[in-house]
Amino acid sequence: QVQLQESGPRLVKPSETLSLTCTVSGASISTYYWNWIRQPAGKGLEWIGRIYTTGSTNQNPSLKSRVTMSVDTSKNEFSLKLSSVTAADTAIYYCARDKADCSTTSCPANWFDSWGQGTLVTVSS
Amino acid sequence: EIVLTQTPATLSLSPGERATLPCRASQSISSYLAWYQQKPGQAPRLLIYDTSNRATGIPARFSGSGSGTDFTLTISSLEPEDFAVYYCQQRSDWPYTFGQGTKLEIK
Repeated sequence: QVQLQESGPRLVKPSETLSLTCTVSGASISTYYWNWIRQPAGKGLEWIGRIYTTGSTNQNPSLKSRVTMSVDTSKNEFSLKLSSVTAADTAIYYCARDKADCSTTSCPANWFDSWGQGTLVTVSS
Repeated sequence: EIVLTQTPATLSLSPGERATLPCRASQSISSYLAWYQQKPGQAPRLLIYDTSNRATGIPARFSGSGSGTDFTLTISSLEPEDFAVYYCQQRSDWPYTFGQGTKLEIK
């Protein structure tokens, strides 16, 4: 069974860069799309972006200029960087797997069937 | 950006009752809608995708229907563990968006 675990600093200062890594276990990172999704406290979900193992990425246009994603297949992990953060970026950040295995079916499905537990990142001085 | 509207924000029902949770899209999204369940302190869990397909391991009491702009998640008979927040999500157009959620609480 696939497991995802987010890691990274929980406190980031305004104007600095938020950096998170998602480590995947129980499945190869190579044949899926991988996503970042965030949730401000007590609010709804916002899709940030996705990456494939080729390094191909897509981002939410509302965040695109500030988002960088990368993947390290040797470590079975992928990462998110969000630059120039403000208090509005304070949220629980989740990594999530796309439902479709690209080795067996058309992908991405753009549904998220496995999630990390989430990590709360606070932007504050 | 496609906006998904979930009303009411809170739905109060009793165990054993039937729950009907609506989701309305600001434009047609064909059948490209999913439902997630989120319990306090947990990540969302995929319940339904492509409007009506149950995800792996999801009980048969959960079902989805609709097309175009109007969709419904139905829980045929509420179990105690079903009281949670439910979100709809569309994949018809960039960026993928979620509704604001409906909290299903015990009456």
